[in-house]
Amino acid sequence: QKEVEQNSGPLSVPEGAIASLNCTYSDRGSQSFFWYRQYSGKSPELIMFIYSNGDKEDGRFTAQLNKASQYVSLLIRDSQPSDSATYLCAVPPGGGADGLTFGKGTHLIIQP
Amino acid sequence: SQTIHQWPATLVQPVGSPLSLECTVEGTSNPNLYWYRQAAGRGLQLLFYSVGIGQISSEVPQNLSASRPQDRQFILSSKKLLLSDSGFYLCAWAVNTEAFFGQGTRLTVV
Repeated sequence: QKEVEQNSGPLSVPEGAIASLNCTYSDRGSQSFFWYRQYSGKSPELIMFIYSNGDKEDGRFTAQLNKASQYVSLLIRDSQPSDSATYLCAVPPGGGADGLTFGKGTHLIIQP
Repeated sequence: SQTIHQWPATLVQPVGSPLSLECTVEGTSNPNLYWYRQAAGRGLQLLFYSVGIGQISSEVPQNLSASRPQDRQFILSSKKLLLSDSGFYLCAWAVNTEAFFGQGTRLTVV
């Protein structure tokens, strides 16, 4: 059973600070990792993906991957109230055609 | 560019009634297609996926079925809805392993 674990939160961060979201996964063979953002009542949207160990930066977002520890994180710099949402970590369980396994998500609240 | 259409956006159905949700994709050929469900307070659960016309794989045994009558059309059905079928249903298409979601259908079974 492939599992993806996230702290459900809520995680409350003041505006302008760095928000740190964490995810662990059980399948040591996983090769790619995805972060989705989901606003309340809306569908998830892909914001970052990472394949290699280390950091990947895209604007205010940085994804960090540590395959040895089976740990992936998402950092949001200069947090804005519009970043308030649920962030979902996802991992393809097999070759990729059979869909993504999602964590339950972390609810992030940016306090103005 | 690729777009995915899913309808209706909201649906209220009585217990025991049938269900049909439709999803179509534009701008790509032979996409992998998926149906997910997100119940209140729970994560996204993969229900069905399809790698081609007429090819359906079921992840969770349940009251639902899926069909893919055309390359870019994916349909989720039920003959008789249960209260437990309530949730947010999401269609998605994927290139490589990156999945992109439709707007979702919020189904309430009463």
